[in-house]
Amino acid sequence: AQSVTQPDIHITVSEGASLELRCNYSYGATPYLFWYVQSPGQGLQLLLKYFSGDTLVQGIKGFEAEFKRSQSSFNLRKPSVHWSDAAEYFCAVGSTSGTYKYIFGTGTRLKVLA
Amino acid sequence: EAGVVQSPRYKIIEKKQPVAFWCNPISGHNTLYWYLQNLGQGPELLIRYENEEAVDDSQLPKDRFSAERLKGVDSTLKIQPAELGDSAVYLCASSPGSGVSYNEQFFGPGTRLTVL
Repeated sequence: AQSVTQPDIHITVSEGASLELRCNYSYGATPYLFWYVQSPGQGLQLLLKYFSGDTLVQGIKGFEAEFKRSQSSFNLRKPSVHWSDAAEYFCAVGSTSGTYKYIFGTGTRLKVLA
Repeated sequence: EAGVVQSPRYKIIEKKQPVAFWCNPISGHNTLYWYLQNLGQGPELLIRYENEEAVDDSQLPKDRFSAERLKGVDSTLKIQPAELGDSAVYLCASSPGSGVSYNEQFFGPGTRLTVL
């Protein structure tokens, strides 16, 4: 069955420090992979997505993610975090077979210290 | 370009009362989704429309929840009667095209429901 796991519920980093948010998935093949960000009181916004090709994907707001097939992972990274990055981050997995299926992880809440 | 519009943003009701949420997707987007988001959780799909057809309502609790998208544009999600456990954020999203899970979904700000 298709599933996605975000092992870290909360992460705290200092402003200017690097960031890595983990995402692991379970799927029979390579799925479509997404990272979304949700600021307080807002809907989700797409940061980046992976379909195929280059395993390092660049997104908006300076974020990038790397797909590692051997580890079934799609971790989100940012070299230098800004205070405005404090939010909740969701990894999502979409099916690549004929049946539509799209599952979100439980999210990682990021806190940024000044 | 206007984003996905949802109203109301907040709703407080007593249990057993009915409640309705409205969503207007991005113009031209064929696919519309309603999600339930509990505190500390990711969104969970309730129902997906392609144009006016509900193509996936397998997760919609049909004893109390109903939804419609009569003209294939805006949509209403209703709960009747509401229960305490329905307190959550109800998100609406839309995407262009249909039937494929690689489409980016554009989310509205959600409606936060509190059932007392």
